[in-house]
Amino acid sequence: GAVVSQHPSRVICKSGTSVKIECRSLDFQATTMFWYRQFPKQSLMLMATSNEGSKATYEQGVEKDKFLINHASLTLSTLTVTSAHPEDSSFYICSARGDRAVYGYTFGSGTRLTVV
Amino acid sequence: AQTVTQSQPEMSVQEAETVTLSCTYDTSESDYYLFWYKQPPSRQMILVIRQEAYKQQNATENRFSVNFQKAAKSFSLKISDSQLGDAAMYFCAYRRGNNNDMRFGAGTRLTVKP
Repeated sequence: GAVVSQHPSRVICKSGTSVKIECRSLDFQATTMFWYRQFPKQSLMLMATSNEGSKATYEQGVEKDKFLINHASLTLSTLTVTSAHPEDSSFYICSARGDRAVYGYTFGSGTRLTVV
Repeated sequence: AQTVTQSQPEMSVQEAETVTLSCTYDTSESDYYLFWYKQPPSRQMILVIRQEAYKQQNATENRFSVNFQKAAKSFSLKISDSQLGDAAMYFCAYRRGNNNDMRFGAGTRLTVKP
């Protein structure tokens, strides 16, 4: 089945630094990648949608300069949290749509980001 | 805008019993898909079941089945013969068409009592 590998699973960084999260589709081509954020005991909130080779589309209220998304290839999408602050601490999950994904999408295992 | 509502923050069921999780949604679209995802403590999102809006027949996957009431915009999940491993957060999700993002409800935490 379709697999999406997300790394790192956990990361702790200092305020003001940047953190990069990677999502790789291992056995299919991810034409579209969705990035979600999940705060404790809350639902998944869509942050942005990225298509391979195009600029990402951000949801209202999500700062595109703070959450940089790159989808340069059909198997890799990255989310970089720039100048991280404690309020950016959250669980980030990617979800990939392949060219044959008529139904559900494949989720990565998530990244728990803690900014200290 | 499409919204998904799960009105049960928590549910509990006895092992081997049946439980139903509720979900309603709001949309003006005709082409859409509905999903139930399970999120265990590992936080990996696991697809439980999906339903195409154009299909009248309710989807079934082993012990999991849905009651899809299109006119009422209701999409409930029934778990039969509940097992301890079913304990998790369950999210109802909506997707417009084939290529768009998913929108999730607030989730229902299911506890299974031995």
